[in-house]
Amino acid sequence: QQQVKQSPQSLIVQKGGISIINCAYENTAFDYFPWYQQFPGKGPALLIAIRPDVSEKKEGRFTISFNKSAKQFSLHIMDSQPGDSATYFCAASTYNQGGKLIFGQGTELSVKP
Amino acid sequence: SAVISQKPSRDICQRGTSLTIQCQVDSQVTMMFWYRQQPGQSLTLIATANQGSEATYESGFVIDKFPISRPNLTFSTLTVSNMSPEDSSIYLCSVESDSRYEQYFGPGTRLTVT
Repeated sequence: QQQVKQSPQSLIVQKGGISIINCAYENTAFDYFPWYQQFPGKGPALLIAIRPDVSEKKEGRFTISFNKSAKQFSLHIMDSQPGDSATYFCAASTYNQGGKLIFGQGTELSVKP
Repeated sequence: SAVISQKPSRDICQRGTSLTIQCQVDSQVTMMFWYRQQPGQSLTLIATANQGSEATYESGFVIDKFPISRPNLTFSTLTVSNMSPEDSSIYLCSVESDSRYEQYFGPGTRLTVT
C-alpha cells in the first residue's frame, strides 16, 4: 500500500515534443506529490509538486495533472528540450508521517535534437 | 531552498571497513533524512534524523549498520559500518523546508565497496 508505481521506465522524445510520465499510488493518505529531476552525478532536484486539493499545477513548461479518484498523477513537459534529458522521479508523502517520501521507480528521459 | 553539502563526494572503500558521510545545511532545519540510491535504482529512505532525538529507521535498516548522529540543527552524519559490496550506492541526505512538505537533497556521496 506504500508503493508508488511509475511508467514508462524510459522515454525518448523529439525536441519540441511533449513528454508524459505517469505515476499511480495506492495509499489514499498521501497528500503531497512532488516530482524530482536528477542529472547524472547529481542529487535529485525538486521540480514541481501538487497537493490533492487541485487537479492541475503548471510551472513554466512543466505541468502536473492529478486524478484523485483514479489515484494517478502525471508530469507533462511541454516543448521538451535536450537539456531536459534526465531521470525523473515521482514521489508521495503524508503530512502526519513526518515527510517520508516514497519514490517511484524513475523514468529516464532522452530528448533528441 | 536550503543549500546542502555532503562530504565526501565519493569514496572507494574495502569491505569490512566503515565510512562516515557528513551532511551540512546552510540554515537550521528540524528534519533531516538519509536515503540510499542503488545503481540505476530509485531512492529508499534509510532513516529520519531529528535533532535531540534518536534516529528513526525504516524497515530493513538498522542502527548497528547505519548509525546516525544529529548534533545540531545544521549537521548530520551517516556511518556505513562493516561494508560489503552490496553497500555500493549513492547516499543522499535531504532536509525538509519550513513548509513541512518540500524536501531538498544534497549532491550525494557515491560509495564503492571493493
